[in-house]
Amino acid sequence: GQNIDQPTEMTATEGAIVQINCTYQTSGFNGLFWYQQHAGEAPTFLSYNVLDGLEEKGRFSSFLSRSKGYSYLLLKELQMKDSASYLCAVATNAGKSTFGDGTTLTVKP
Amino acid sequence: DTAVSQTPKYLVTQMGNDKSIKCEQNLGHDTMYWYKQDSKKFLKIMFSYNNKELIINETVPNRFSPKSPDKAHLNLHINSLELGDSAVYFCASSPIGNGPYGYTFGSGTRLTVV
Repeated sequence: GQNIDQPTEMTATEGAIVQINCTYQTSGFNGLFWYQQHAGEAPTFLSYNVLDGLEEKGRFSSFLSRSKGYSYLLLKELQMKDSASYLCAVATNAGKSTFGDGTTLTVKP
Repeated sequence: DTAVSQTPKYLVTQMGNDKSIKCEQNLGHDTMYWYKQDSKKFLKIMFSYNNKELIINETVPNRFSPKSPDKAHLNLHINSLELGDSAVYFCASSPIGNGPYGYTFGSGTRLTVV
């Protein structure tokens, strides 16, 4: 099976930087995704990492260490609209992605 | 021109009824999925189809039956609905089973069983 852990809730201030961690245990690892989900809406794809290292995409960056079973999503210059749930999802070569429980981020003025 | 569209968006029904949710994608993707998101926001895979062929069937009661008439459509039929079936059901698609593009999700169907 797969175990995916991420913090349940985080709070940060507008304009700040926040790092959301995700640890996982799996077999047949085939990549790690981050999704953003606003309340009452569908998840939307943010990033994908399959090799170790940092992937940067504007204000958002995602990091992966396969040997440690660890990833993080880094959000810079936080905006109020970044308040949402952030879902870590691990893909396997069995052809499916398993999602963590999500981290609810609240951005305060 | 919605990429992944689900109908209906809301569904309220009584226990014991049978209902269907429809999903269509116009992205040309080969793989489609059904996920269930419960009240605790946990998103759990139910089924996956690749070009009309069932490839993933998680531990889901056999009251749930997916059908894929072609690779652009994946419907979900639920028999004998129970209170515990209340959740948001998301359809999703991707170009390659688990490739680098992530899933494109539909807007979800909020099912309430009373």
